[in-house]
Amino acid sequence: SYELTQSLSVSVALGQTARITCGGNNIGSKNVHWYQQKPGQAPVLVIYRDSDRPSGIPERFSGFNSGNTATLTISRAQAGDEADYYCQVWDSSTSVVFGGGTKLTVL
Amino acid sequence: QVQLAQSGSELKKPGASVKVSCKASGYTFTSYAMNWVRQAPGQGLEWMGWINTNTGKPTYAQGFTGRFVFSLDTSVSTAYLQISTLKTEDTAVYYCARDGGGYDWRFDPWGQGTLVTVSS
Repeated sequence: SYELTQSLSVSVALGQTARITCGGNNIGSKNVHWYQQKPGQAPVLVIYRDSDRPSGIPERFSGFNSGNTATLTISRAQAGDEADYYCQVWDSSTSVVFGGGTKLTVL
Repeated sequence: QVQLAQSGSELKKPGASVKVSCKASGYTFTSYAMNWVRQAPGQGLEWMGWINTNTGKPTYAQGFTGRFVFSLDTSVSTAYLQISTLKTEDTAVYYCARDGGGYDWRFDPWGQGTLVTVSS
């Protein structure tokens, strides 16, 4: 079965750049989607197909996917970006797979 | 705008059943598949499966066969998740999430979630 690996937590200073990674075997060949989930709220799609942003998502959110790692980058981090972030792919053997989630803390 | 409105929290005893609803608005219900995702307390997201809103055919992920049933009422643009013979480990927030429409298995938007608590 296909697995996605995310760091449990990432910290970033206010106004700096946060990078959240998602590891998987040859993940670069798959479409990776990223979701933001704030406490007590439903997940929200912030990046789809590796690097596309849905309407309403700030340009500060960007994504890249190559090889065995996909990366979500949040520039000029704000306090409101504190949340759990999940990567997700579709795999032919496992269907939909979510990463374990990364908790972003803005210091 | 596209919205998914889920039914309210449920408190059930072990062995009982529960039915969670997800009412869609702002788009043609039968044009987009609907997915279900579970989130146990303090845990991550777990995909339960999906239902083809055009044909009504459900597909269940591993671990969600037998006690879990997806269904539809297209006349009211609503998807349902029914869980039978509830166990304490079924305690979780259950989300419906619409297929994003790009044939790439993205989910957008999500319902607000329904907390199901199973306790004696």
